[in-house]
Amino acid sequence: NAGVTQTPKFRVLKTGQSMTLLCAQDMNHEYMYWYRQDPGMGLRLIHYSVGEGTTAKGEVPDGYNVSRLKKQNFLLGLESAAPSQTSVYFCASTQGLAGYNEQFFGPGTRLTVL
Amino acid sequence: AQSVTQPDIHITVSEGASLELRCNYSYGATPYLFWYVQSPGQGLQLLLKYFSGDTLVQGIKGFEAEFKRSQSSFNLRKPSVHWSDAAEYFCAVGSNTGKLIFGQGTTLQVKP
Repeated sequence: NAGVTQTPKFRVLKTGQSMTLLCAQDMNHEYMYWYRQDPGMGLRLIHYSVGEGTTAKGEVPDGYNVSRLKKQNFLLGLESAAPSQTSVYFCASTQGLAGYNEQFFGPGTRLTVL
Repeated sequence: AQSVTQPDIHITVSEGASLELRCNYSYGATPYLFWYVQSPGQGLQLLLKYFSGDTLVQGIKGFEAEFKRSQSSFNLRKPSVHWSDAAEYFCAVGSNTGKLIFGQGTTLQVKP
């Protein structure tokens, strides 16, 4: 099992450009999450999904969109990147709600917006 | 609102010494508590979790944590630190909406 994988691992964007981050999991988990990690701030929830075809906003959703067309994939989109979106992005999946179950994390995507 | 505080941003210990990482939470009911570890350049991995029952929980890699309701704390301990324990450690609490709320993280440096 590959667990949770993320594509790409690194990316540099210019302000205003768009991109999509892909997260894939092979554990048949219902719940998937996107976090951003910034120094001194821990992980903050961007968006999450409780099942195929569903998405919901987290703590810091502005400037991001998500889609969950297939159960195993969870995409995070930046329509018009801003320097404030420079961060490390982590995807995670769980069997049930994250607050009660172990989360399995991908290796992260380091994004720099110039 | 639920919150988690890790008072120590950075801790340095000598290899073989004991370790205690502090975590304080704010939550009205009985909390679900977690400790995750992030090795450099990698994602997070669960060390241990507390839901109910025995307040001293054992985790992987020789770590343990003690839940103290009176102090709203869930401190992580290890009796003898190894160089491979150098990483960032996150305490987290499960919110009443089922999401996970993370602390700011503590970076552990291990001196040879």
